[in-house]
Amino acid sequence: DSGVTQTPKHLITATGQRVTLRCSPRSGDLSVYWYQQSLDQGLQFLIQYYNGEERAKGNILERFSAQQFPDLHSELNLSSLELGDSALYFCASSWTNTGDSPLHFGNGTRLTVT
Amino acid sequence: GQQVMQIPQYQHVQEGEDFTTYCNSSTTLSNIQWYKQRPGGHPVFLIQLVKSGEVKKQKRLTFQFGEAKKNSSLHITATQTTDVGTYFCAGSSWGKLQFGAGTQVVVTP
Repeated sequence: DSGVTQTPKHLITATGQRVTLRCSPRSGDLSVYWYQQSLDQGLQFLIQYYNGEERAKGNILERFSAQQFPDLHSELNLSSLELGDSALYFCASSWTNTGDSPLHFGNGTRLTVT
Repeated sequence: GQQVMQIPQYQHVQEGEDFTTYCNSSTTLSNIQWYKQRPGGHPVFLIQLVKSGEVKKQKRLTFQFGEAKKNSSLHITATQTTDVGTYFCAGSSWGKLQFGAGTQVVVTP
């Protein structure tokens, strides 16, 4: 158990809809990362937050947004969903924001857009 | 920008054989981390290397960090079916962590 909690585990929705994925980081971790993993693909970095502030942005679409709340949990919002957005979305947390401490991944949210 | 390349993309190994997967960065790294993702699972942190030329072992797994801190390797000896999965390296440079595309390992009994 990594200590990182992601909900929901599975999400099935239709094209054009909007969904919210939630992540609670490991206790004591201030940094939250979001990754997208399509079938048998690598980890595509979306965005990173540290202590409530956006720290780094990767290949995140304009239709996607995220935030980190004062209690350090984070939400990833995906809107105007397309079939190609179907993927596994991972949240990871770490203690630092400089890439010097290991990432602890949640179990992921599997999004299916029909 | 920083790029982290992993080779090979796929590795088919006979049970009992050894293999090595490589990770190369376009920039000097402050540290490199290795993760393993089992089929259907999430990436799990294996190890972090920080020093130039560092070598660390975990049972049958040997991790190396290059002298120039721009490359790393993971060597697995006597491969077992439990080694199946995708191995990712992640290099840290200028405060950013960049994952490689991973090496997907398939083990045949």
